[in-house]
Amino acid sequence: AQTVTQSQPEMSVQEAETVTLSCTYDTSESDYYLFWYKQPPSRQMILVIRQEAYKQQNATENRFSVNFQKAAKSFSLKISDSQLGDAAMYFCAHNDMRFGAGTRLTVKP
Amino acid sequence: ETGVTQSPTHLIKTRGQQVTLRCSSQSGHNTVSWYQQALGQGPQFIFQYYREEENGRGNFPPRFSGLQFPNYSSELNVNALELDDSALYLCASSSSTIHRGPAKNIQYFGAGTRLSVL
Repeated sequence: AQTVTQSQPEMSVQEAETVTLSCTYDTSESDYYLFWYKQPPSRQMILVIRQEAYKQQNATENRFSVNFQKAAKSFSLKISDSQLGDAAMYFCAHNDMRFGAGTRLTVKP
Repeated sequence: ETGVTQSPTHLIKTRGQQVTLRCSSQSGHNTVSWYQQALGQGPQFIFQYYREEENGRGNFPPRFSGLQFPNYSSELNVNALELDDSALYLCASSSSTIHRGPAKNIQYFGAGTRLSVL
């Protein structure tokens, strides 16, 4: 079965520092979307950033950016200037409804 | 807030019972997807509805069934509940223009229904 893998169950970052969350995936498609979602303790999943496979330019949304390596099937999320409100579960997802197991991010003041 | 609402927020059932979970889509969205999220895991895709028709299904048995109504709200029904059905059930809505194939549009999630099966 095709999979989405997040190899870091937990990550920790100091406030104002930068952290990178890893994700690899398996797909036979040439055109697809990849997503990073944030799930805070309130449980409501929120989209952080989206990347279309055909676009070579890495997506960026304010402090959030991705490093998309299509050939390596890698899709990592970089959070710059980390804030206390960034603490949450982060899930990587493929547009065919597959999600990774998640990475719990802790932000230390 | 995403505009997607789910009810109830919490539910306790016993093994063998049946349950219905409800989801109200964000205004203007015609597609609803349901996910099961076990504790400490990522969401698992159950099925998707597009304009009242099932448009894809994950690896879940037939006792998981659904409906989408003309106003695009949706229900998830689970029959013959098992202990392993205990999970957070998430509904997500999106606006799609295709009938077949995977959704490539942003999904907006509700806060989920926490189901406990005793």
